[in-house]
Amino acid sequence: DVKVTQSSRYLVKRTGEKVFLECVQDMDHENMFWYRQDPGLGLRLIYFSYDVKMKEKGDIPEGYSVSREKKERFSLILESASTNQTSMYLCASDGTFNSPLHFGNGTRLTVT
Amino acid sequence: GESVGLHLPTLSVQEGDNSIINCAYSNSASDYFIWYKQESGKGPQFIIDIRSNMDKRQGQRVTVLLNKTVKHLSLQIAATQPGDSAVYFCAEKWNYQLIWGAGTKLIIKP
Repeated sequence: DVKVTQSSRYLVKRTGEKVFLECVQDMDHENMFWYRQDPGLGLRLIYFSYDVKMKEKGDIPEGYSVSREKKERFSLILESASTNQTSMYLCASDGTFNSPLHFGNGTRLTVT
Repeated sequence: GESVGLHLPTLSVQEGDNSIINCAYSNSASDYFIWYKQESGKGPQFIIDIRSNMDKRQGQRVTVLLNKTVKHLSLQIAATQPGDSAVYFCAEKWNYQLIWGAGTKLIIKP
């Protein structure tokens, strides 16, 4: 079974802090994704990566950056956290176009 | 836990009955479709997928039907169990991205 592991289930950070969300997958997948999920807004794509050191903006990249130094690891960075970034963050990976994304269990981030 | 979505369509089903969850998709050029289950506090979990060259696919207790003419997907769950309580999302895959449906909350009545 594919396993996507997000390093933290819950995080509480202060406004202005730099925040790192880490994600690791164990299936040698090429593609990795970061989403946020908010009630009433569904899942929105922040960034994705189709190869090491490659990244593409999703629908809502503002306020975020990403890093993919190794194939199995994809990090989401909030350079200066703001309260409107309080959300559930979901990492996912897939191997090919015609295969499903596999998700981690999410990191619930609260910015106070 | 916090609700996945506010004001989601809700389907209430008696335990042991079959459930049918419907979804309309947007892009007639999409050729790969996926159903996910999301329980409270967890990430979406892959259930079953179907490619556009098929109109039906069966898994364990689940069946997905695809009607490309009207851009409609359905998920059928046989003999619904309490553990099936969750929000169910359909998604169409387009390029590298998923386009998500709104989600349906499935409630199981004892």
